[in-house]
This record gives sequence, structure tokens and C-alpha cells, in this order.
Amino acid sequence: GQQVMQIPQYQHVQEGEDFTTYCNSSTTLSNIQWYKQRPGGHPVFLIQLVKSGEVKKQKRLTFQFGEAKKNSSLHITATQTTDVGTYFCAGATGNQFYFGTGTSLTVIP
Amino acid sequence: NAGVTQTPKFRILKIGQSMTLQCTQDMNHNYMYWYRQDPGMGLKLIYYSVGAGITDKGEVPNGYNVSRSTTEDFPLRLELAAPSQTSVYFCASSYSSVQPQHFGDGTRLSIL
Repeated sequence: GQQVMQIPQYQHVQEGEDFTTYCNSSTTLSNIQWYKQRPGGHPVFLIQLVKSGEVKKQKRLTFQFGEAKKNSSLHITATQTTDVGTYFCAGATGNQFYFGTGTSLTVIP
Repeated sequence: NAGVTQTPKFRILKIGQSMTLQCTQDMNHNYMYWYRQDPGMGLKLIYYSVGAGITDKGEVPNGYNVSRSTTEDFPLRLELAAPSQTSVYFCASSYSSVQPQHFGDGTRLSIL
């Protein structure tokens, strides 16, 4: 069946360090979305990537969709304590979205 | 604009009881989804709907039922609650399959 894996599962960084989470799908995706979930909260949409090789930036966040549309990454430059949370990718195949297992980010002040 | 509203926020059930988790959205979205999230895990799709009168199974539909009689409402039914259904349940909606999903605040369900 469809699987979307994310690594790492957990990441602890010192404030100011960079952070990257990777998302890999077993099948080709039509698009990929990224969400952030704060502790005790609900997932909040960050961005969507549709085109092969697409790169999008949101301030300190850079999102990339692989050429084969089977993998994606989220990179945060110079992390801040406000970046704390779990980051999920969600890959679309047909009408269904398959969420990755998430990467929990802890930022140490 | 309320967005996606889920009720109740918390519930404790006994094994074998049944209940309905309510979800309503006021954004006129066609697509609605039910996910469960176990502690420290990602979200698993239970059921989804692409419009009123149309529902389909997701990854983990066993033990659940849904209906979509209106665009706004997408209730999730647990018929015979089991401890394995202890989880946080999120409802989400989107305009289409390629649009962002908007999530409710979740229902925290414990089955003892």
C-alpha cells in the first residue's frame, strides 16, 4: 500500500541552527502538502508543491519537491523557539492524502 | 467564520458503547476527511467524502462509519467502541483534493 515515510522522527537543535526533515513516498505523488502541528494543537497548512523539482520559500522555510515527485524536504534556516512543533508532509494520490509520520522539532534556547 | 468545528472536545467511553463524533464546516468545502492520530504518530485517514451523498474508505475504516447528507456535516460513528480506538480524531475539509486542508481542533477519545 501507499506509504509516506518521514525522517528523522525527532530532532533537537540549538536555537539558531538549521533543521531539515525529509519525506519519501513509495509511489509518485500528484502533489505534496506540508503542515505544522504545535503540541496539543491541530495541523496547520504551510504550503503545497505541485510541480516536479519545485522549490518554494516562506521566510526562513524552504520547501522542495523532488524531480520524480516521490520525495520532498523542508529546511528551516536559523531555527527559533517559535518553530517548535511537529512537521508533517502529506502526499496526494487520487483523492486521498497520506500523511507522513512527522518530525518533532525541539529548539533549545 | 468558524471554519471546521468538532464536538465533543473530550470523551470517555466504555468498551462496547457507541457514539458519534460531530464535524461541521462553514466554508462550503466539497471535500471532508476524518483522521485519527495516535500518540507520537502521524495521521491516518479513516474516511473521506468528495461531496454530499458520497463517502469512501481511507486507510483505517474498520470499526467506523460515516455519512454525508449535507455539504456542511460529516459525522463519524463508532458502533462498538474498543480500546484500540483510543486516539485523537481530527476532521478536516478542503475545497478540492489539491487544496489545503483545514482542520478542526480535534476530539480526544478514550475507551476504557
